[in-house]
Amino acid sequence: DIVMTQSPDSLAVSLGERATINCKSSQSVLYSSNNNNYLAWYQQKPGQPPKLLIYWASTRESGVPDRFTGSGSGTDFTLTISSLQAEDVAVYYCQQYFTTPPWTFGQGTKVEIK
Amino acid sequence: QVQLVESGGGLVKPGGSLRLSCAASGFTFSDYYMSWTRQAPGKGLEWVSYISNSGRTTYYADSVKGRFTISRDNAKNSLYLQMNSLRAEDTAVYYCASFRYYGSGSYGPSHYWGQGTLVTVSS
Repeated sequence: DIVMTQSPDSLAVSLGERATINCKSSQSVLYSSNNNNYLAWYQQKPGQPPKLLIYWASTRESGVPDRFTGSGSGTDFTLTISSLQAEDVAVYYCQQYFTTPPWTFGQGTKVEIK
Repeated sequence: QVQLVESGGGLVKPGGSLRLSCAASGFTFSDYYMSWTRQAPGKGLEWVSYISNSGRTTYYADSVKGRFTISRDNAKNSLYLQMNSLRAEDTAVYYCASFRYYGSGSYGPSHYWGQGTLVTVSS
């Protein structure tokens, strides 16, 4: 199984500052035949289901503010919130959906306001 | 708009059974693969199972293999998860979600998720 490891487990960022979350997979999730990275980022607020933010590692879901950016390829990925807003307080998960299941999630990163 | 509504959760004793349902609307259900993902209280997300759009292909996490069965009824736009031999560690909120299959082992992400249904396994 592909193991997804996020860092840090939590971070506190001042309003308007940048937040950076890293995700590392134990094997590449890049499909060479189409050059897509099978990596998604989800945001989860308390009492709510996960919400898709980014897929194919860097494609923003419709309606997601452009302060959210996904980057990386192969085994190393990053979610950046360029200017943290109060409504961004949440837990963020990366997930690989590469080939056959199981499709594993990172352990989550809790983002708070400093 | 797309809606996924789970039901069937509740309190069950260890060793017991429960059947979860997920009612889909707002999209062509038979075109989409479906999955179940769960989240234990205060913990992270764990993918549980998926089923192809036809129902012919299924996958399970090792933690539930042999105990859980995923199925669907495309005529009723519904997804199910039959959970048998339940254990305390199965206590979680269970979410259904939809995704695309593009062929040749290429899947898409889950754009739509239900609100979840809580399963509690306790004596």
